[in-house]
Amino acid sequence: GAVVSQHPSWVICKSGTSVKIECRSLDFQATTMFWYRQFPKQSLMLMATSNEGSKATYEQGVEKDKFLINHASLTLSTLTVTSAHPEDSSFYICSARGLAGYSYNEQFFGPGTRLTVL
Amino acid sequence: EDQVTQSPEALRLQEGESSSLNCSYTVSGLRGLFWYRQDPGKGPEFLFTLYSAGEEKEKERLKATLTKKESFLHITAPKPEDSATYLCAVNTDKLIFGTGTRLQVFP
Repeated sequence: GAVVSQHPSWVICKSGTSVKIECRSLDFQATTMFWYRQFPKQSLMLMATSNEGSKATYEQGVEKDKFLINHASLTLSTLTVTSAHPEDSSFYICSARGLAGYSYNEQFFGPGTRLTVL
Repeated sequence: EDQVTQSPEALRLQEGESSSLNCSYTVSGLRGLFWYRQDPGKGPEFLFTLYSAGEEKEKERLKATLTKKESFLHITAPKPEDSATYLCAVNTDKLIFGTGTRLQVFP
């Protein structure tokens, strides 16, 4: 149990285009999902927290108009990077929380999406 | 300001050479300390959660301990497959990660 998937696993796009990344909880309902980004040899930095059916809460310094988050169901959250630029190239990782049978505090992570903007 | 610091940044061990990784933290309202393993190009894999000082948890060659200011991840007789980055995170109302320890175990 507690499996989180992401799609795509990697994507290359041209500068100025938009990219959508999906995060799915495969065998449970996730009331809260989190989006992180990770630069090479650095740790995970929280970008935003999304609760099903409500607007995402963004961390300080994260542009909400650039990183659009939708959490329309208990098993799916999406992150759209709008008008991507090379500096947006990074490893994006989602996690899910609120699993029946697990501690409320535990987060389970997806495999990540490598975004490269040319 | 909540802060998590891991040391060392990198650690090279011979197979069978036991060692410990450190995670020191300064947070208000700790709701748990987490250890994760991350392989290159992958998401973090959950290892342990610790909630109170004095708590210990074990899994195979790994043992995690917690005090009021720090946590240790002890690796006993490591194998090459234990090579990975080990991340520590503290939970306040969100997870705050340390920068990790990159462990390499050589045969």
